[in-house]
Order: sequence, then C-alpha cells, then structure tokens
Amino acid sequence: NAGVTQTPKFRVLKTGQSMTLLCAQDMNHEYMYWYRQDPGMGLRLIHYSVGEGTTAKGEVPDGYNVSRLKKQNFLLGLESAAPSQTSVYFCASTSGSTEAFFGQGTRLTVV
Amino acid sequence: AQSVTQLDSQVPVFEEAPVELRCNYSSSVSVYLFWYVQYPNQGLQLLLKYLSGSTLVKGINGFEAEFNKSQTSFHLRKPSVHISDTAEYFCAVAPRNKLIFGTGTRLQVFP
Repeated sequence: NAGVTQTPKFRVLKTGQSMTLLCAQDMNHEYMYWYRQDPGMGLRLIHYSVGEGTTAKGEVPDGYNVSRLKKQNFLLGLESAAPSQTSVYFCASTSGSTEAFFGQGTRLTVV
Repeated sequence: AQSVTQLDSQVPVFEEAPVELRCNYSSSVSVYLFWYVQYPNQGLQLLLKYLSGSTLVKGINGFEAEFNKSQTSFHLRKPSVHISDTAEYFCAVAPRNKLIFGTGTRLQVFP
C-alpha cells in the first residue's frame, strides 16, 4: 500500500542547477498537486493536474514546470534553481471531493 | 478568488483543556472544506471534511468542526486535548479542482 511516493526525499542544489522531483501514486487518482511549504506560509499550490496530459498553474508557479504524461506520475521541474526555492515540497493526489493523500515530502536546499 | 484564513498561528493549551482552532474562508462558489493535521517531519493527513449535509462534522481523534455558511467559518474543536495532539493543523478549501490551504495553526499542548 504505497499511496503517494515522492523521490528524492532530500536534495541539495547549487544555484542555477536543474532537477526534477517525481511523484507517483498507485490509487488511480485523477487529480494531483504540487505544494511548497515554508514556515509561517502554510502550503502554497505550485501547479496541479486534473488528469493525464493536463496541467494548470497554482498560486506560485514561477520558476517551476510540471508534466503529467502518465496518470500515475506528476513531475515537478526546476530549470534553474534559486535560493528562494529552498523549501519542503509536497505532492498530493485525490479522486475529487474525497480525501487528498500526501507524500512524505522532499526537502530541497539551494545554495 | 478562493482563500482560507486561519486566525491563530499558535495556540498553547494545557492537557485535558478544550481547544478551538479558527478557520474562515472566502469563495464565490460552493466549496468543500477540510481540516488536515501534520505531525513533525511528516506529510498531511485528513482529520475531517465537509462536503454537504449536516453542518457538524466529526473526525478522527475526537475532533469535530462546524460549518457556518453565514459566517463563512469552519472552526475545529476538541473538548479535551492530549499531549499527542501537538501538531500543525491546516484548514483547506477545494473549489473547482484546486485544494487551497491556510497558513496553519500550531497547537502546543502542555502537561
């Protein structure tokens, strides 16, 4: 019963480097979300997807790109990392109005 | 635009005392409402949700919340807290495919 799995769990990047965070869910959920969590700011929605092949911008999309080529995977890309992107990133999935399931988070530090 | 306001960033309380964590939302459309809990270094898990019907919603671990449409509120309550309830609590709304979170309330339970 894997649920939502995020890879990697920790990462340190240098400014300007790129990376991709992978989110995989095995619950056949249509909706997937990427959030960043920063102290005192709660979870802010970066991008989301309502189905395979679709993506949409959330509250803080700048500096990030996403892709949903397969229903079970939602990738978050940073093309040129900046220190302001140091954060904990969470992926979530849901079938709609029901409970959202979260991954364990990815702690990213950009130096 | 939809938004969620959690009025208290921190709530200190003694063990076995009652607690209320406040949440107000704004939305021009009908929404679903949720409370999630986050324990240290973990992802979020669902406490309870309001989709429709009875305005008093009961969740896990003895928590309950009341949906008040006229006051656009969804406050979380527990009649007697335990040390193990120490965590961060997030209110969320789900209008039209998105899932938007408040900034969180840190509940600190003291012995």
